[in-house]
Amino acid sequence: AQTVTQSQPEMSVQEAETVTLSCTYDTSESDYYLFWYKQPPSRQMILVIRQEAYKQQNATENRFSVNFQKAAKSFSLKISDSQLGDAAMYFCAYRPYSGAGSYQLTFGKGTKLSVIP
Amino acid sequence: DTGVSQNPRHKITKRGQNVTFRCDPISEHNRLYWYRQTLGQGPEFLTYFQNEAQLEKSRLLSDRFSAERPKGSFSTLEIQRTEQGDSAMYLCASSFRTDQETQYFGPGTRLLVL
Repeated sequence: AQTVTQSQPEMSVQEAETVTLSCTYDTSESDYYLFWYKQPPSRQMILVIRQEAYKQQNATENRFSVNFQKAAKSFSLKISDSQLGDAAMYFCAYRPYSGAGSYQLTFGKGTKLSVIP
Repeated sequence: DTGVSQNPRHKITKRGQNVTFRCDPISEHNRLYWYRQTLGQGPEFLTYFQNEAQLEKSRLLSDRFSAERPKGSFSTLEIQRTEQGDSAMYLCASSFRTDQETQYFGPGTRLLVL
């Protein structure tokens, strides 16, 4: 079974600084997707960034980028120039590319990010 | 607003009562998912529909839980004889079948069983 581990329950960052959130996962699959979702307080979860395992290039979306290390099964999220609106729970998630369970996301427990003005 | 919508947003019920939640996916999304999120945890998969067919159910979905998606549009999740352990946020998501599908989540229904 696939598992996703986020070892940092809480993180904080000064506004305009950079922060990195960690995620590791366990799978025997070779093709899969990895995601970072953001869940602001009392608001719905939104996709931050997505990485396909077969792509060696790390995904980037504006101030958000990932460091994908397939051999180490590591998928960290870097937030640059942190803004107050980045404060939220961040969830790392995994999905196989095909086969059994390819329709469901497996989430980590989340990291609560606080942004200090 | 063309996002995923869920109703009600909050539900308080007494143990033993039945409750029903509704999810309206993004138009033309043929896949619909239900997740449950308890405090301090990430969402856990409950069940999945492709069009009107329920293709998979998690072990978490006990016999007291039933989900439907008539006509492949909106979906309902019913919990019979609620228990205090059912208290959680119930999230619905939808996606369109492409090579790189992403699940779009609704705001959730927060259930409190007293």
